[in-house]
Amino acid sequence: NAGVTQTPKFQVLKTGQSMTLQCAQDMNHEYMSWYRQDPGMGLRLIHYSVGAGITDQGEVPNGYNVSRSTTEDFPLRLLSAAPSQTSVYFCASSHRLNYGYTFGSGTRLTVV
Amino acid sequence: DAKTTQPPSMDCAEGRAANLPCNHSTISGNEYVYWYRQIHSQGPQYIIHGLKNNETNEMASLIITEDRKSSTLILPHATLRDTAVYYCIVRSHSNAGKSTFGDGTTLTVKP
Repeated sequence: NAGVTQTPKFQVLKTGQSMTLQCAQDMNHEYMSWYRQDPGMGLRLIHYSVGAGITDQGEVPNGYNVSRSTTEDFPLRLLSAAPSQTSVYFCASSHRLNYGYTFGSGTRLTVV
Repeated sequence: DAKTTQPPSMDCAEGRAANLPCNHSTISGNEYVYWYRQIHSQGPQYIIHGLKNNETNEMASLIITEDRKSSTLILPHATLRDTAVYYCIVRSHSNAGKSTFGDGTTLTVKP
């Protein structure tokens, strides 16, 4: 099993560009989440999903969209990149109940 | 979900037990306590979780007070590789999709 796979690992964007961060898991987990981590800070929840077709906002959703068309995939879209979105983005998934999250290795995004 | 409070940093001597505290005084009855750690800039790693009973696995032990308002993660014999940021979070299994992290405790294990 590959676990949680995030692509790309690194990305540089210009202000105003859009892009999609990919996240895929092969563990048949119902729950998936996106977090961002700014330098020296903890993780902040962007969006999460409790199953295919169901998504909800976390603590810092502005500027990001998500969709969950399949159980396996949970892409995060940046609509119009801003320097304030420079961060490391982590995707995580877990079984529906009584399991900890499995995290991906992260996407390091720089917006210039 | 209830918020948690952790000390920003702690030191521990190699080979000694590391005891990391977490306060979650507003925890509700259906919320579990979870612990994760993050080494360097890697993705966080799940360590252990519990509801009200003490738990132990191959990585650590979790002690939850009887009133469930606080807990302690114990690494019985800390090694240099245990140097990391440790996060304590509470998570409701009725809304388990939403888990919020605080800033965690930076544990430094010293030789």
